[in-house]
This record gives sequence, structure tokens and C-alpha cells, in this order.
Amino acid sequence: NAGVTQTPKFRVLKTGQSMTLLCAQDMNHEYMYWYRQDPGMGLRLIHYSVGEGTTAKGEVPDGYNVSRLKKQNFLLGLESAAPSQTSVYFCASRGGTASNQPQHFGDGTRLSIL
Amino acid sequence: GQNIDQPTEMTATEGAIVQINCTYQTSGFNGLFWYQQHAGEAPTFLSYNVLDGLEEKGRFSSFLSRSKGYSYLLLKELQMKDSASYLCAVRDQYSSASKIIFGSGTRLSIRP
Repeated sequence: NAGVTQTPKFRVLKTGQSMTLLCAQDMNHEYMYWYRQDPGMGLRLIHYSVGEGTTAKGEVPDGYNVSRLKKQNFLLGLESAAPSQTSVYFCASRGGTASNQPQHFGDGTRLSIL
Repeated sequence: GQNIDQPTEMTATEGAIVQINCTYQTSGFNGLFWYQQHAGEAPTFLSYNVLDGLEEKGRFSSFLSRSKGYSYLLLKELQMKDSASYLCAVRDQYSSASKIIFGSGTRLSIRP
């Protein structure tokens, strides 16, 4: 079972470059999330989506954009990368409306901005 | 504001028992999750509590006191593979679109 797949796994960018991180899930989940994880700061929510065609801001949305054109995909874009965006990015999905449904995470994308 | 506190690091001995505490202050509450995360890997779901009391799952148990804003994860018969970070996370609202807020995690090291 693939679950949640993130592409790419690693990337190095120069300041000012743009890129898109792709998250794909094959569990027919409604809810999808993008987090960043930095040392000592835990997982911080960037943006999330409660269904196809919807997106909403999380705790740290500045400098990022997202799109959910298809239910199975959630894209995270960096329009002009900055060194402060060096981090590990995790995508997660969650199915159903029951409160006990956990999030399923992808393996992460390690992004370095020089 | 929203705040979740956990100890940064803990060390325990193989075969022993360890308790990882989590306190939270959130605008609402609709459940608390514990996740395990090995270094360089994705978080994986361990347990869920929404009512007060203890939930047991094999070697792992999780406790919740909503009135105290407190939870703990209890790991018994520790094994070397339990060396990982343990993340406490709170779902802050009753709506289906509610966000889940994570603590910074507790890095647990198991010594032989």
C-alpha cells in the first residue's frame, strides 16, 4: 500500500528559485495537510484542505501557496525560496469525520535553500 | 493561545518503564493523539484519547485528564527500537475541519 507519497524526497534550491512539492494519497481521504518540521519546534501547520478545491491557512502560511485540484493530490508551492524555508516538509492525510481518525504522514521532503 | 508542552529529552533503560508527560492549553479540545517518530522518518500513529482515563495498547498506554489539560504516554518493557521522538498532538475543535496542533516532541533514548 502506497498511502501518502511525497515527491521529491530531497531538493537543494538557491534563494529566489521556485518549486512545487507534490503530495499524493491513495486512501480517498478528504483532509490533507502540509507541515514543516524544524529542530526544537515540532510540526507546524502551513496550509490544509478539507476537500477537493478547498484550501485554508495554518499557523505559518507566509511564503507558501497550495492547491487541491484533485482529491488525491495536494501541492505546496514556494514562489521565491528563502533560507528560512530550509526545513523538512511533511504531508499528511486523514479520512472521515470521526474525531479519532489519525493523520497518515508521507516520508517527508528535505529542502535546503542556499 | 495554543500551547502544548512536553519534555525535550528523556533517557531510560532497556526493559524498564518510562512515562512521557504532555500538558496542553488550547481554545477547544476534541481529542489527543500520540505519535512516534524515528529519526529521519515520518510520524506514525500510536494512540488516541478523548475521554478521561487510560487507553492500553500492548506495551503502550495513554492517559488523559481533560480537567487538568494533561496526558501521558506510558511505555513498558522498553526495547532499543523504542528510541524515537514521541509527539503529543491536540485536536482543538469539534468541527470536521479542525486542525491538529503538535507539541515539539520528546526524544527518548534507550540505553542497554
